[in-house]
Amino acid sequence: EVQLVESGGGLVQPGGSLRLSCAASGFSFSSYWMGWVRQAPGKGLEWVANIKEDGSEKNHVDSVKGRFAISRDNAKNSVYLQMNNLRAEDTAVYYCATPGWGPFGIWGQGTMVTVSS
Amino acid sequence: DVVMTQSPLSLPVTLGQPASISCRSSQSLVYSDGNTYLNWFQQRPGQSPRRLIYKVSNRDSGVPDRFSGSGSGTDFTLKISRVEAEDIGVYYCMQLIQWSYTFGQGTKLEIK
Repeated sequence: EVQLVESGGGLVQPGGSLRLSCAASGFSFSSYWMGWVRQAPGKGLEWVANIKEDGSEKNHVDSVKGRFAISRDNAKNSVYLQMNNLRAEDTAVYYCATPGWGPFGIWGQGTMVTVSS
Repeated sequence: DVVMTQSPLSLPVTLGQPASISCRSSQSLVYSDGNTYLNWFQQRPGQSPRRLIYKVSNRDSGVPDRFSGSGSGTDFTLKISRVEAEDIGVYYCMQLIQWSYTFGQGTKLEIK
């Protein structure tokens, strides 16, 4: 079965850190760009970061630059999002997804990150 | 950034009737390879988003043929030929031509 499973979310204080993980299965992970998308409670979607198949190219949205870092381990079929210096406005469900330029476009079920004191 | 603007933001529809959602981009979504990178997503209540359409008009596997996408350049449309109860949710368009990828605000489809 083709799937993406996120983990690592939770409650963290402002200024704290979290590392999200996404485990892929059922497809050739190393052949696809991967990304992270977030959705604040009751709000729309924001594409946060993406990473090329071999990890040689990475992009981050301006609101997280310098604080978040996307990475991947193709040997473990996994993509990660290291989140530092977290703010209340980072509170959201974080989804792992393939960007989906072509026929293959999948999303995980999401993991909740809450930044609060 | 490319700004994506959807309308309407709320769409009450009678079961069995058609529905149409418009999406406009602030610049052309035609890439240098000739493809237009505009996708549509459905998010049912309490679920993660699911892609319905890629590159304007290509339906994903398992998507009912009552869903269709059309458009070109900066103007795009998602149509549902006959709305069913399972279609309730929020629909988003998304551009992938330029980083950072951006979504429309979302259109909430509800049953009258």
